[in-house]
Amino acid sequence: SQQGEEDPQALSIQEGENATMNCSYKTSINNLQWYRQNSGRGLVHLILIRSNEREKHSGRLRVTLDTSKKSSSLLITASRAADTASYFCATDRDSGYALNFGKGTSLLVTP
Amino acid sequence: SAVISQKPSRDICQRGTSLTIQCQVDSQVTMMFWYRQQPGQSLTLIATANQGSEATYESGFVIDKFPISRPNLTFSTLTVSNMSPEDSSIYLCSVAGGNWETQYFGPGTRLLVL
Repeated sequence: SQQGEEDPQALSIQEGENATMNCSYKTSINNLQWYRQNSGRGLVHLILIRSNEREKHSGRLRVTLDTSKKSSSLLITASRAADTASYFCATDRDSGYALNFGKGTSLLVTP
Repeated sequence: SAVISQKPSRDICQRGTSLTIQCQVDSQVTMMFWYRQQPGQSLTLIATANQGSEATYESGFVIDKFPISRPNLTFSTLTVSNMSPEDSSIYLCSVAGGNWETQYFGPGTRLLVL
């Protein structure tokens, strides 16, 4: 079942601009992950942030986590046309390793 | 990390027929999952593929419709049975476990049912 909600649903920016996507979830988590999906293909793992972390960086990606608000944000700096994709947040479940996915944000970066 | 392959990558099928999707991992993994992604939608977990025992299905998914096999720690199959156009989706397998914190996904199988 889905418990994450991303906003915006769609985002269009120009190359060089920053893109910010937000994710909210409903239940307590151990960690939150962000994935990218290019044009209906497989998912690529981007970054994982644990519940005791507030911010994490990986290259041009910056993820924040606010467990009190049950929300996370993904910032992509200096965007490129190759960043055009759908971005999903995913939270772990109460049991096992399966994930709950948000609805995703569709990002379009134009040259 | 893990390298995951799926076969077929895509298929077009007639309603009423069945399709078996294969998922192969390059190393032994503890957990394998099957997800469905309907057009324009997010991923929904179908079931957890258990090695040597029956799969664990999520609410709304049943074994008769989506039989799953997992004969060993590197391979699993998902069958979409008696297909209808509503089964048109991308089906993805994923793996997790061991020292991994993340879950790795296969490239997906794009299915169109006419």
